[in-house]
Order: sequence, then C-alpha cells, then structure tokens
Amino acid sequence: KAGVTQTPRYLIKTRGQQVTLSCSPISGHRSVSWYQQTPGQGLQFLFEYFSETQRNKGNFPGRFSGRQFSNSRSEMNVSTLELGDSALYLCASSLGGGTTYNEQFFGPGTRLTVL
Amino acid sequence: TQLLEQSPQFLSIQEGENLTVYCNSSSVFSSLQWYRQEPGEGPVLLVTVVTGGEVKKLKRLTFQFGDARKDSSLHITAAQPGDTGLYLCAGEGNTDKLIFGTGTRLQVFP
Repeated sequence: KAGVTQTPRYLIKTRGQQVTLSCSPISGHRSVSWYQQTPGQGLQFLFEYFSETQRNKGNFPGRFSGRQFSNSRSEMNVSTLELGDSALYLCASSLGGGTTYNEQFFGPGTRLTVL
Repeated sequence: TQLLEQSPQFLSIQEGENLTVYCNSSSVFSSLQWYRQEPGEGPVLLVTVVTGGEVKKLKRLTFQFGDARKDSSLHITAAQPGDTGLYLCAGEGNTDKLIFGTGTRLQVFP
C-alpha cells in the first residue's frame, strides 16, 4: 500500500507571498491532519479534516487554512507568509471515524523556507 | 492546555548502552503513542499504549504507560546506531487531537 505523499518536498518563498501544499493520504484513510514542525516549537497541530469537513483546529492564525477533497486528498494554504512560517509541514493520514486510536501515518513533509 | 514534556531533550550514547526516555504530563490521556523520526522523513509510529500500567515490547524497545495514564517511558536495551533519531510521544487528550511531546533527540555512536 502506498504511503502518504506530499508535494512539493521543498519550497522557497518570500515574505507576503502565499503557498499551497498538497497531501495524498493512504488509500482508504479518510482523515488528514496537518502539523508544523520547527526546532523551537516542536510538532504543532494545525488542523484535521475528515470527510471534507474540518474536524479539529489548532491555535494558528487565520492565514493558515486547508481543505479536503472528496477523494480525501488535502491541501493546506498559508497566505501573507512571514519569516516565522519557515518550517517543515507534515501531513498525516489515519483511518478516522473513531475506529482507531488516532494513529497517524506521516508523509515526508514539505520544507518551506520564507526569505 | 494539555502538555507533554519529554526528558532528556538530547541523548548521546555509545552502541551497546541502555537508555530511558520519559514523557510526562499533568493531564490524563486516553492513549499514548511513540514515534521515531529520522532526518528528512516524517515520524513513524512505533507503538500505541492504551491501558494504565501497560507494557509493550518491540524487539529491544520497551514502552510503559503510567498507571494514572499521565506519563510514559521508552527503554532501549543495547542501543544501536540504527536507533538514532528523534523520539516523540503523543497523547490523545480530551479534544481528540494528538498532543505531541517536546521530543528527545538520540544519537548512538558505533
């Protein structure tokens, strides 16, 4: 079974720009979560989508948004980029639906650098 | 706010040594997971513990969930260079979100 894929793997943007990251979950997984990982803050939860609906949200500003499509693929968008948005963005999929202990299967991440 | 503190933050040891990583919180978690992350990759799930006092073994790795489900430990016996990585605990709290710990970076030298 193919794992979670994320595109692009690396991205360089400048302040003020916006960016869209993409995630394809494991086949059959209906839940997709996004995380931001930085050396200083560790791994922080951004949001979770299940069946095209945002089910949970972390403590990030409204510049961070996401969506999920009917095939469970998900995109994350960050508008008006700031230097502090430089991070590894990880997508994780899980079966969802209350059938598991929320065990996450992570993609390799997108390394975003904001200049 | 539910927090998970891991200790130590960094660990550098020689091959063959034993080590223990701790994951502590003042909050109760319904389940707790351990992940390992290698450079350039996403975290990989190692184990999930769900019952207070539960002990699970994965080859040389032993995981324990505290009786009160507020803490957990990971013990590695006879560490090998392949064990090198960032170890993360993650608890499922009262909001159904996974709360990740602060991480322990392990380096095992041959």
